[in-house]
Amino acid sequence: DAEITQSPRHKITETGRQVTLACHQTWNHNNMFWYRQDLGHGLRLIHYSYGVQDTNKGEVSDGYSVSRSNTEDLPLTLESAASSQTSVYFCASSSSGDSTDTQYFGPGTRLTVL
Amino acid sequence: AQSVTQLDSHVSVSEGTPVLLRCNYSSSYSPSLFWYVQHPNKGLQLLLKYTSAATLVKGINGFEAEFKKSETSFHLTKPSAHMSDAAEYFCVVRFRDTGRRALTFGSGTRLQVQP
Repeated sequence: DAEITQSPRHKITETGRQVTLACHQTWNHNNMFWYRQDLGHGLRLIHYSYGVQDTNKGEVSDGYSVSRSNTEDLPLTLESAASSQTSVYFCASSSSGDSTDTQYFGPGTRLTVL
Repeated sequence: AQSVTQLDSHVSVSEGTPVLLRCNYSSSYSPSLFWYVQHPNKGLQLLLKYTSAATLVKGINGFEAEFKKSETSFHLTKPSAHMSDAAEYFCVVRFRDTGRRALTFGSGTRLQVQP
């Protein structure tokens, strides 16, 4: 069955370190998204991609970057981790052929920045 | 401005009683509408979606939602709550008047089911 996976599931790091969170989907979806979830805010969009070599900023993109070198993967990098980036991160994907833009979510990565 | 508002941050019901989770949105165009559920320490699961084919949408686990354009609402209901329904529920909108395919999330409603 097609799926979307994230790794690691839990990560503890220190302020100032570079961190990369992996997202891999086997749906063959063109569209991929990264969100962060914080209490009282629902999910907020960090970055998104509509295809290989395409990346776009979301509402809370400061301090984050992504790159899309193939269809299956959209890694999220925190250039210099800050305590404000402690959060749960979700990756999602959707098909360009789906007019409703239904997104399918990964299990999440819980990141703690000390 | 485009927005999604979940009117209750917490809802508590007794097992076997009806569930109503309220959602309103603000948009000049008919959007795509979704409800997702998140059980503790889990990812997000799609409950149902509105695709403009019918205003009453049936989802998994006995949940339904009705799209009311005049009220810009998409409330989630279930006739009889079960203990396993205890979770966080998100009303989610894809605003069609932007070129972006990303979703906008409400802040969530935590549903508690009392025995």
